[in-house]
Amino acid sequence: DGGITQSPKYLFRKEGQNVTLSCEQNLNHDAMYWYRQDPGQGLRLIYYSQIVNDFQKGDIAEGYSVSREKKESFPLTVTSAQKNPTAFYLCASSGELGTSGKSEQFFGPGTRLTVL
Amino acid sequence: AQSVTQLDSHVSVSEGTPVLLRCNYSSSYSPSLFWYVQHPNKGLQLLLKYTSAATLVKGINGFEAEFKKSETSFHLTKPSAHMSDAAEYFCVVSVWTSYDKVIFGPGTSLSVIP
Repeated sequence: DGGITQSPKYLFRKEGQNVTLSCEQNLNHDAMYWYRQDPGQGLRLIYYSQIVNDFQKGDIAEGYSVSREKKESFPLTVTSAQKNPTAFYLCASSGELGTSGKSEQFFGPGTRLTVL
Repeated sequence: AQSVTQLDSHVSVSEGTPVLLRCNYSSSYSPSLFWYVQHPNKGLQLLLKYTSAATLVKGINGFEAEFKKSETSFHLTKPSAHMSDAAEYFCVVSVWTSYDKVIFGPGTSLSVIP
């Protein structure tokens, strides 16, 4: 089945530690995205990537880093510089370049990160 | 610049009654518009999308939305609410410029009363 997987589903981190969230898609999509969702709020864009080996900062990139070495993978690292990392993190992907403005985003099931 | 306003942060309806979730947008370009649903602790699922074809768009689970350019609105409706419709709903505007710019509304929480 085609789709997006995120792992782990729940993640606990001690303050001061870096942690990496996994996102994999087998939809052959060019574009991938990371969002952060806080309780009772909408989604805020952290980073996005339109193509392999290229990515752009979103609205709240500070304290986060990404890589896009393979088309199907877009891991997100939450660094110790992120002051309030406890949140629900969603990964998404969308269709081919040039059409992605019209194609919907497909979302993974999310990772809930809690900093202890 | 693009923006999305969801006029109600919370809507409560009785089971079997109609649902109306309101969305207004602002866009300098011809937008694509989407509605997504999110159940607790889950990812988002696409309900329906408008991409400059028919202005009345039918989606999954009996939902539909009408694109009204003159009113810059894209309201989501369903004739009869079901308990399983209780969730968070997001209106989204997307514009293809030099990069894929997708703007999410703040969300509307729908409660369905038995």
